[in-house]
Amino acid sequence: DTGVSQDPRHKITKRGQNVTFRCDPISEHNRLYWYRQTLGQGPEFLTYFQNEAQLEKSRLLSDRFSAERPKGSFSTLEIQRTEQGDSAMYLCASSYLLTGEAFFGQGTRLTVV
Amino acid sequence: AQSVTQLDSQVPVFEEAPVELRCNYSSSVSVYLFWYVQYPNQGLQLLLKYLSGSTLVESINGFEAEFNKSQTSFHLRKPSVHISDTAEYFCAVSQDMEYGNKLVFGAGTILRVKS
Repeated sequence: DTGVSQDPRHKITKRGQNVTFRCDPISEHNRLYWYRQTLGQGPEFLTYFQNEAQLEKSRLLSDRFSAERPKGSFSTLEIQRTEQGDSAMYLCASSYLLTGEAFFGQGTRLTVV
Repeated sequence: AQSVTQLDSQVPVFEEAPVELRCNYSSSVSVYLFWYVQYPNQGLQLLLKYLSGSTLVESINGFEAEFNKSQTSFHLRKPSVHISDTAEYFCAVSQDMEYGNKLVFGAGTILRVKS
């Protein structure tokens, strides 16, 4: 296993467009997390899944943000009607419940123009 | 609500010199504390963690951090740095037993090691 994989690594989109990012966690990990990191700040927690269940989504930044993990494996994060303020690095992490640290992917850098 | 303050945004230091990266947190409940490191063009990696027990924790590459409950601090230290330690370091806190979940991060400290 090569670790947590995120795709794409970079995304440039026009304001108002929808974007979707994918995260493939480490295969045996049942917890998956999404964070957002803006320039000069540390990562900010957005949401997490245990298997396919989304256990917390109150930190999602607005109703334009949604996340899924349909089969308890990979996850997608969608941003609808993107705004310039959405420009950031979106990080995914995974862990094995109760035993392991969170392993982070390299992130998807979103630029909204 | 929890928060983490990293007191220095950048720390320049010469190779083989000691370094301390400062981290203070605020929380009204017991916490678990972490340091993550991010090397250029790489993802965040866990450097060390405090969950319970000994307040001094060490990493495999010579870093150590000490949990000080009265000072609400978790400063990171290394007695002699290498060029390869150049990276951004993030302090983080969680109150979740299943550590790694809902981490609250500081803004990060860039460590620049000069030859």
